[in-house]
Parts: sequence; C-alpha cells; structure tokens
Amino acid sequence: GAVVSQHPSRVICKSGTSVKIECRSLDFQATTMFWYRQFPKQSLMLMATSNEGSKATYEQGVEKDKFLINHASLTLSTLTVTSAHPEDSSFYICSARRAGGNEKLFFGSGTQLSVL
Amino acid sequence: GDSVTQMEGPVTLSEEAFLTINCTYTATGYPSLFWYVQYPGEGLQLLLKATKADDKGSNKGFEATYRKETTSFHLEKGSVQVSDSAVYFCALNPRGSQGNLIFGKGTKLSVKP
Repeated sequence: GAVVSQHPSRVICKSGTSVKIECRSLDFQATTMFWYRQFPKQSLMLMATSNEGSKATYEQGVEKDKFLINHASLTLSTLTVTSAHPEDSSFYICSARRAGGNEKLFFGSGTQLSVL
Repeated sequence: GDSVTQMEGPVTLSEEAFLTINCTYTATGYPSLFWYVQYPGEGLQLLLKATKADDKGSNKGFEATYRKETTSFHLEKGSVQVSDSAVYFCALNPRGSQGNLIFGKGTKLSVKP
C-alpha cells in the first residue's frame, strides 16, 4: 500500500526555537496534504490543507505565520513551527491524498513535539 | 458544525471477547464515515468505511454500519485478538470537502491474552 513517511517522530526543543516536520509520500504523488494536531485527550484537529505549488489553506484559529507550510513538490510537504512555545507542544500528523485518488487518505506516523 | 463523538477509553478486553466502540456524528447532509486504526509507532490506517446510509463496512473481522436514523457508526468485532490492540478513530468526511476528515478523540483498545 501507499506509504507516507513523517520525520521526526519525536522532537524536544527550547522555547523560541523553530522546528521543521517533514511529510513525504514515498511511492505516490500527493497533490493534497493535510496537517493535523492532537492535544492530549482531544480529537485530531485539521490545521491546514496544502496543495502542491500553491499557498496552504489554514483552518480558523490557526496562525499561518506561526505554522509555515510548504508543499514544494508532489511528494513533500513541510510544517515549520516558528518560535515554538510550550503551548505548541502537541502531536502533529500529516496525511496525503494520492493524485487522482478518491477520498482515501494515507497518514504519517506523527510527530510528538515537546517545547520546554 | 460537523463533529464526531466516540466512546472514551481505554478499553481493556480479554482475547476472544466481543468489542463495541460507539461512534455518533453530527453533520449536515450525508457524509462518508470511516474507522481508522493506529498501531503503536505507526500512522493511521483506514480500517473500513461506508459512504451511504445502511452501508456496512467490514475488514479484518471488524464491522460498522452507517445508521442515518441514529447518526451512528459503531465499530464491532466478534472476537478480538491481542494484535488488535491499537487506537481506533472514528471520522467523517463532509460531502463536498477536499478529503479532509473530522475525527473523534480516539479510543485506545488493549487486548490481554
């Protein structure tokens, strides 16, 4: 089946630093990728939708200047948490939809971010 | 807005026990409904889905029926195995969306030998 690789799986950083998370579709082209965030005991919440070659669409309440999304190729999307603070500590997970595909999404394994 | 509510875990069962994880939803129109499973250290994987009322999704012994009258999509399995231990997420895809999903909080299942 289709594989989505997400790195790193876990990162600990100091407050004020920036963290980049990568999401790669290994064996298919993904025209659309989604980024989710999950706080403890909460639902996975959609943060943004990114389409290859265009600006990401952010959900209400998500700061686009803080969560920079780049989808420069059909196999790679990155999420950069800029000037991270402890309240950004969360589980981030990406998903990808195959080009020409239907509703089926393929998920990365997630990144646990801890900001000290 | 659209939302998904699923039973809170963790759920702990003995091997061969019957499993039910409840899921109800709120949505305008007729969404597609999904169950995803996340095994330890892995990404979410689609377990089963249903796209219209009365459809039954099934896979690996798991079943769920799209009940429009009760807005539910409960996950069931007749005899669980230790290998079924994972986190299960109920989700919906609103009609007309790009494919982004609205998830429940997830239910952790632990099956003991």
